[in-house]
Amino acid sequence: DTAVSQTPKYLVTQMGNDKSIKCEQNLGHDTMYWYKQDSKKFLKIMFSYNNKELIINETVPNRFSPKSPDKAHLNLHINSLELGDSAVYFCASTTGEKYGYTFGSGTRLTVV
Amino acid sequence: AQSVTQPDIHITVSEGASLELRCNYSYGATPYLFWYVQSPGQGLQLLLKYFSGDTLVQGIKGFEAEFKRSQSSFNLRKPSVHWSDAAEYFCAVGIDRGSTLGRLYFGRGTQLTVWP
Repeated sequence: DTAVSQTPKYLVTQMGNDKSIKCEQNLGHDTMYWYKQDSKKFLKIMFSYNNKELIINETVPNRFSPKSPDKAHLNLHINSLELGDSAVYFCASTTGEKYGYTFGSGTRLTVV
Repeated sequence: AQSVTQPDIHITVSEGASLELRCNYSYGATPYLFWYVQSPGQGLQLLLKYFSGDTLVQGIKGFEAEFKRSQSSFNLRKPSVHWSDAAEYFCAVGIDRGSTLGRLYFGRGTQLTVWP
């Protein structure tokens, strides 16, 4: 299936731990994104990569570090997790804004 | 700065009734416009999009939306709602920067509840 796939789907971890979320797309898109959706469903862009190059880096704590080993993959590593990091994290990809984004199914991160 | 406003946080309709979800944006030129749907526990699925041409666009699941430049609006409509349409709906605006270096701006969403 052509899609954007994220792993894991659920992640429960303790404060202070370090965790990673992985994203892969097989759509041939050049641009990938990480969005954070809070408990009120607000979607906030975090990062964007175009052909492995970081092009958008919003005001995100530097505990969050994206990595794009190739244009089909975009991972998100989070250090020293805090309670406020609990959210759903969505990966998305596109070939251009006019076409919209294709979203992954999300990773629900719960920090306890 | 660009912004997207969805004035209705929560809408409740009866099954079979018509639906209109409102979306307004602020941007000087014609943006790219989208509606997404998010079912509980799922990702966002693209319902429809507009970037040029006919201002009335048809999407999946029987939805349509109309771009009205004079009102800076892109409202989503469906003539007869089904119980399976209950979900969160997001309007989004994209800006043409002549490359892939832009982003989509999302509204805060409208939650649709459907009564049987």
